Amino acid sequence: GAGVSQSPSNKVTEKGKDVELRCDPISGHTALYWYRQSLGQGLEFLIYFQGNSAPDKSGLPSDRFSAERTGGSVSTLTIQRTQQEDSAVYLCASSTEGRSGPQHFGDGTRLSIL
Amino acid sequence: GESVGLHLPTLSVQEGDNSIINCAYSNSASDYFIWYKQESGKGPQFIIDIRSNMDKRQGQRVTVLLNKTVKHLSLQIAATQPGDSAVYFCAERSGFQKLVFGTGTRLLVSP
Repeated sequence: GAGVSQSPSNKVTEKGKDVELRCDPISGHTALYWYRQSLGQGLEFLIYFQGNSAPDKSGLPSDRFSAERTGGSVSTLTIQRTQQEDSAVYLCASSTEGRSGPQHFGDGTRLSIL
Repeated sequence: GESVGLHLPTLSVQEGDNSIINCAYSNSASDYFIWYKQESGKGPQFIIDIRSNMDKRQGQRVTVLLNKTVKHLSLQIAATQPGDSAVYFCAERSGFQKLVFGTGTRLLVSP
């Protein structure tokens, strides 16, 4: 596809389980971002990947959150031992030119923790 | 991580009116600004951007105005349509720092 693709679109899981969220960025985009958006709120930055550079993890809320980007393309955001406060929409975005161009977003994964 | 916005301000307009959505930014060093539109159940969609060496930029039915003196950004939508109903976010960036998103404004367009 032409846009950023995220899967699954919806995920419901029990508290304490681990979840993996996937992001396929736009082909050729070197920068990839993860954000979290709680209901009715703005976007909370989580992590940023740029090429082969060390990722900027400054937004990860706890050590239960981690992310990988393999081969400079697909990224996986993992949340271990999920808590109810992790319920949110997780958005992925990609861009060219590192941080100097506009970011293009996927439609997100809506995560619900029971 | 950074988190902005608890209760979204709302702008209600009639179809055909011009809409103006405002955003105050905090970092005087910010040199790049973006407006996004987010419809329910979808990710933010890029609308228009502007760099700090400009004070106005126009797109299709949209105009962004930047006032660096008072750190104010606005998005003007001409002849607003029901399809423009969404939440609009501004975002700012300084150099190669990460984008910082504003609170968001909900635009409601009545037919």
